[in-house]
Amino acid sequence: DGGITQSPKYLFRKEGQNVTLSCEQNLNHDAMYWYRQDPGQGLRLIYYSQIVNDFQKGDIAEGYSVSREKKESFPLTVTSAQKNPTAFYLCASSHNSPLHFGNGTRLTVT
Amino acid sequence: DQQVKQNSPSLSVQEGRISILNCDYTNSMFDYFLWYKKYPAEGPTFLISISSIKDKNEDGRFTVFLNKSAKHLSLHIVPSQPGDSAVYFCAASRGTASKLTFGTGTRLQVTL
Repeated sequence: DGGITQSPKYLFRKEGQNVTLSCEQNLNHDAMYWYRQDPGQGLRLIYYSQIVNDFQKGDIAEGYSVSREKKESFPLTVTSAQKNPTAFYLCASSHNSPLHFGNGTRLTVT
Repeated sequence: DQQVKQNSPSLSVQEGRISILNCDYTNSMFDYFLWYKKYPAEGPTFLISISSIKDKNEDGRFTVFLNKSAKHLSLHIVPSQPGDSAVYFCAASRGTASKLTFGTGTRLQVTL
């Protein structure tokens, strides 16, 4: 059963700590994406990767970092430099098709 | 700069009636448009798409209309069902294999 797995579903961190959100897909998709959802602002693109070992900044990349060492995995690190890290983070993948999303990770930083 | 806009944050429709969700875009380079449906605490799921070479695409109860001159698209759901209650996001891209720009979403509530 193919899909995108984001873990954990809920994540809590103290301010000043870096945190890494996991995203794994077994759909054999080349492209992967990270979006952030905030109330009233829709989904905003953080980073995306179209092939292994390559990625590009999206519209709101400041304070985030990513890696794409394997086709299946695209982890997102929320660094202490991100001013408003509390949000719902969505990972997606595609291969000449509409984006297929995971079920998200809700990150709360206090 | 919001390139994709959904000006109605919410919409309430009676079961069995038509739901019409609207979306406007400003970037004339967009040529592929999609609608996603999202339930709380879940990822969005793809509903329907349309290429700029068409002005209408239909899939069961869902129809998307595209007016390129007005840079406007709409999603029609008929008949509306209680299970359609969700947030609907409009999205656009340059090409079918490109990153998507999303609107802010419209929350649809279908009442009995």
